[in-house]
Amino acid sequence: QKEVEQNSGPLSVPEGAIASLNCTYSDRGSQSFFWYRQYSGKSPELIMFIYSNGDKEDGRFTAQLNKASQYVSLLIRDSQPSDSATYLCAVEGGANNLFFGTGTRLTVIP
Amino acid sequence: EPEVTQTPSHQVTQMGQEVILRCVPISNHLYFYWYRQILGQKVEFLVSFYNNEISEKSEIFDDQFSVERPDGSNFTLKIRSTKLEDSAMYFCASSGDYSYEQYFGPGTRLTVT
Repeated sequence: QKEVEQNSGPLSVPEGAIASLNCTYSDRGSQSFFWYRQYSGKSPELIMFIYSNGDKEDGRFTAQLNKASQYVSLLIRDSQPSDSATYLCAVEGGANNLFFGTGTRLTVIP
Repeated sequence: EPEVTQTPSHQVTQMGQEVILRCVPISNHLYFYWYRQILGQKVEFLVSFYNNEISEKSEIFDDQFSVERPDGSNFTLKIRSTKLEDSAMYFCASSGDYSYEQYFGPGTRLTVT
């Protein structure tokens, strides 16, 4: 069973700060990594994906991948109250299925 | 912007009854998935479907579950005889060819009483 671990939080940051969310995974052969945002009672919304080691930036979001350490992170710059949600790390399982972590709950304090 | 749609948004059923959850994936996508999320728990993979057949299924997806693409647009999940522990949010997702990026529908909340 592929494991994806996240700190459940809650993580609280003040508005305008950088939020840093972390994820580790167990399968060294995993190739594709995803960050989803899930508001309470809603479905997961894809916000970032990363396939190669290093950083990938998209607006206020940066995904970082280190396959040697089996570690993927998401940075949210200039955090806004609307960023308050649970952030789910997902790892592709090799057969088009995704394995999800339990998610980190982020609260951005105005 | 194209999106995955699901019906119904909420389904209440009695234990032992059959339910069918419906999904319309994004129109040019070729891979389809069902996931579930029990309240307060993580999203769990159930099944993936490609080229009119199951490509992968999890241990959760036992003989009580089945999937079908009855026409060119719909993708359904059937639970033959529901149990209390089937109560969860069921999400349909789809992805394009050569892409692992999966887009989720709004979900169906299934309540088994």
